[in-house]
Amino acid sequence: NAGVTQTPKFQVLKTGQSMTLQCAQDMNHEYMSWYRQDPGMGLRLIHYSVGAGITDQGEVPNGYNVSRSTTEDFPLRLLSAAPSQTSVYFCASRHTSGDTGELFFGEGSRLTVL
Amino acid sequence: QQPVQSPQAVILREGEDAVINCSSSKALYSVHWYRQKHGEAPVFLMILLKGGEQKGHEKISASFNEKKQQSSLYLTASQLSYSGTYFCGTENGYNNNDMRFGAGTRLTVKP
Repeated sequence: NAGVTQTPKFQVLKTGQSMTLQCAQDMNHEYMSWYRQDPGMGLRLIHYSVGAGITDQGEVPNGYNVSRSTTEDFPLRLLSAAPSQTSVYFCASRHTSGDTGELFFGEGSRLTVL
Repeated sequence: QQPVQSPQAVILREGEDAVINCSSSKALYSVHWYRQKHGEAPVFLMILLKGGEQKGHEKISASFNEKKQQSSLYLTASQLSYSGTYFCGTENGYNNNDMRFGAGTRLTVKP
């Protein structure tokens, strides 16, 4: 199993450009989520999904869109990038049932917006 | 709402102990603990689901006080490999699916 795979690992954008961060998991997890990590702020939840066709907002959703057309994929879209979106982005997944609750994280995508 | 972690940073010598605390202003259903090495993804350590429950992972254990809405992570006889940033993640209900993380505690273990 590859686990959670994120692409790209690094990206530099200019203000106003759009891009999509890709996330795929091969563990048949119902739940997938996106976090951003900034120095001193920990991990902040952007959006999450509990299954195909279902998405919901986390604590910092503004400026980001998501969709979940398949169980495996959960892309994060930045429609008009801003310098404040410079961050490291992590995708994570887990099963929604059962008590283990372990979140599996991808390796992260480092985004710089100039 | 993000849980509050303390301390922000700890420096230890090998073999020393440390405690990292995590508290929430809302009732908790579960507390997760993760460790992140520099430049890597967070890695799951343990989850605590019931009040007063203590769980262990090698020489790392944790407790969960449901009434006080707090959890503590205990690192005993620390090793160099324990260095990293520790995060607690909290959920307020079963299948809440909205896990919030604390700002992290940076632990440095020196020889």
